[in-house]
Order: sequence, then C-alpha cells, then structure tokens
Amino acid sequence: GESVGLHLPTLSVQEGDNSIINCAYSNSASDYFIWYKQESGKGPQFIIDIRSNMDKRQGQRVTVLLNKTVKHLSLQIAATQPGDSAVYFCAELTSGTYKYIFGTGTRLKVLA
Amino acid sequence: GAGVSQTPSNKVTEKGKYVELRCDPISGHTALYWYRQSLGQGPEFLIYFQGTGAADDSGLPNDRFFAVRPEGSVSTLKIQRTERGDSAVYLCASSYVTSGRYTDTQYFGPGTRLTVL
Repeated sequence: GESVGLHLPTLSVQEGDNSIINCAYSNSASDYFIWYKQESGKGPQFIIDIRSNMDKRQGQRVTVLLNKTVKHLSLQIAATQPGDSAVYFCAELTSGTYKYIFGTGTRLKVLA
Repeated sequence: GAGVSQTPSNKVTEKGKYVELRCDPISGHTALYWYRQSLGQGPEFLIYFQGTGAADDSGLPNDRFFAVRPEGSVSTLKIQRTERGDSAVYLCASSYVTSGRYTDTQYFGPGTRLTVL
C-alpha cells in the first residue's frame, strides 16, 4: 500500500512516555474537530473528536484539548505503546458544511 | 463486520486514459465521501454523497473528475484523460448519517493507489 508521511514532522517518544501532537487549524468558523490515526497502507482511523463547545475530551489513553482563541488542537496519548506508531491527522469541519479539512499530519515514532 | 472496501487496490494507467475507482461502503451507511491523498499530505476532500445525490462536489479539481452513487450504496469515482498529477491514493469513507453539524464517525477504506505514467 501507499506510504504516507515521508516528509512529515516527526515526533519520537520512548515507549511508556506520554505523547503530545499539535495541530493548528485554519478556519475560525470550524466547530467540530477530529483526530485520526493512519498506518502505512491503510485509511485513516477515528481516534477521538471534540465539538467547539468543549475545551477538553478524554477517551481511552487519549485526550484532546481545544483552544479556540489561538485555533489550536492537541492530542495527548498516555503511556505510548509501539502500536501507536503511525501518522496522526487533525481534521476540522464547519457546521452546515460537509467538507472536512485535514491538517498535514505528524508521524509518531515510538522507541522501544 | 465488513468495513469499507475499495477496488482496485492499485491502478497503473497511462496519461490520457480513463479510470474508474470503486467504493463499497458499510451496509446501511447513507453518507459517502471521496478524498485524495498525495504523498506526505493529509486527505483532500473531493465529494460528499448523502444517499444518491452529491450534496457537495466542491472539492473535485476539474471537470475530468466525476462521481456517481446511483443506488445510494456503491460509488464510482471516474477520471477522464488522466494526467500525471492525478497520481495519488484515493480514499473513500462512509458514515451512518451526517447532518453537517453533529456527524457520525467516518470509516475509511484502504484506498486505491492510482499511478499515471
């Protein structure tokens, strides 16, 4: 399958450490945000989402933080595992539209 | 259960040829999206279907690109007179329903890798 993210920013973390992946979104009217994980040769996989009326949402080992003032989104992964190695994308959506806009992505490498 | 499937997984064609890429969404999903992903980039929106109709085709780059979903299930993305710049992975995603505000999770297929020589 296709390799993604050959020229992407890379974050390298030790196994067991926490990871923080950042995303600057583009449209101040966006009110729905999603984080996706994409492994080589596969399509993006939903991780967690957040609506603009929230500033934090937690899932299993993941937390998303939203700062609308500076149009910034972050994904925190607790106790990072080798299986977390992938490219991570944020996506934004403005209500009333269907056009998801994806960021450029960050490659996460988990070091054993 | 079965996820979103896309065929073919790889397609190599020559410049100027016509290609069709197929997407089989998850059964019962009414919303279907096509995206294009170039190397090192995030997916780029092409078109969105709600049922049989294209609710938003603003992402199609030009009139060489066309997509159909005649029975509200399988969709075909058609590219005429292919150009080398069309080379990319074409991703399809489906979801149960999308209201444009509170959306259901999109499930992506593995993509079709298109190479135009």
